[in-house]
Amino acid sequence: QVQLVQSGAEVKKPGASVKVSCKASGYTFTSYYMHWVRQAPGQGLEWMGIINPSGGSTSYAQKFQGRVTMTRDTSTSTVYMELSSLRSEDTAVYYCARGLIAARPNGPAGYWGQGTLVTVSS
Amino acid sequence: DIQMTQSPSTLSASVGDRVTITCRASQSISSWLAWYQQKPGKAPKLLIYKASSLESGVPSRFSGSGSGTEFTLTISSLQPDDFATYYCQQYNSYSLTFGGGTKVEIK
Repeated sequence: QVQLVQSGAEVKKPGASVKVSCKASGYTFTSYYMHWVRQAPGQGLEWMGIINPSGGSTSYAQKFQGRVTMTRDTSTSTVYMELSSLRSEDTAVYYCARGLIAARPNGPAGYWGQGTLVTVSS
Repeated sequence: DIQMTQSPSTLSASVGDRVTITCRASQSISSWLAWYQQKPGKAPKLLIYKASSLESGVPSRFSGSGSGTEFTLTISSLQPDDFATYYCQQYNSYSLTFGGGTKVEIK
């Protein structure tokens, strides 16, 4: 069965960077795009961007351009999301989510990781 | 970016009620719309994609309709497990966007 297992909670100071991992199993890793979505406390869902695990190409939401980097390691079927220049407003749960349809970048997310809480506080 | 507006933001209903949630897009997205359910402390769960296609394993009391700029999610007979927050998401463009969410509460 498809599983996405994310790394544990992080506490960071303003200005620092955080790198969240998402290890995939149960399917062909390179066949499905992976999204990153975040949710601030008590708020809605916010799409951050997407990575193609096959070639490593990425597309980021304009809001995060210049601050986010998504990468992947095909040898371990893991994708990473790094967010830099953290500020208090970046405190949120960060989710990885696999595309529902193979090889389609703009599509719904059919499988989600458990989420990683990132807290930014001085 | 395409903006997605959901209404209402909160909805109070009783078990057995028929519930309808609306999602409007700032421009036409054809049928490239998904609906998710989220419970507190949990990841979202895909319910419907391509506006009206039911995801595998989702109860048939959930249905979706619409195209272009106006969409609805209907729960035909609300069950205790359905009290949650619901989000729409457009995927017409390569920059995906979510609606603000609709919380379905117990009346």
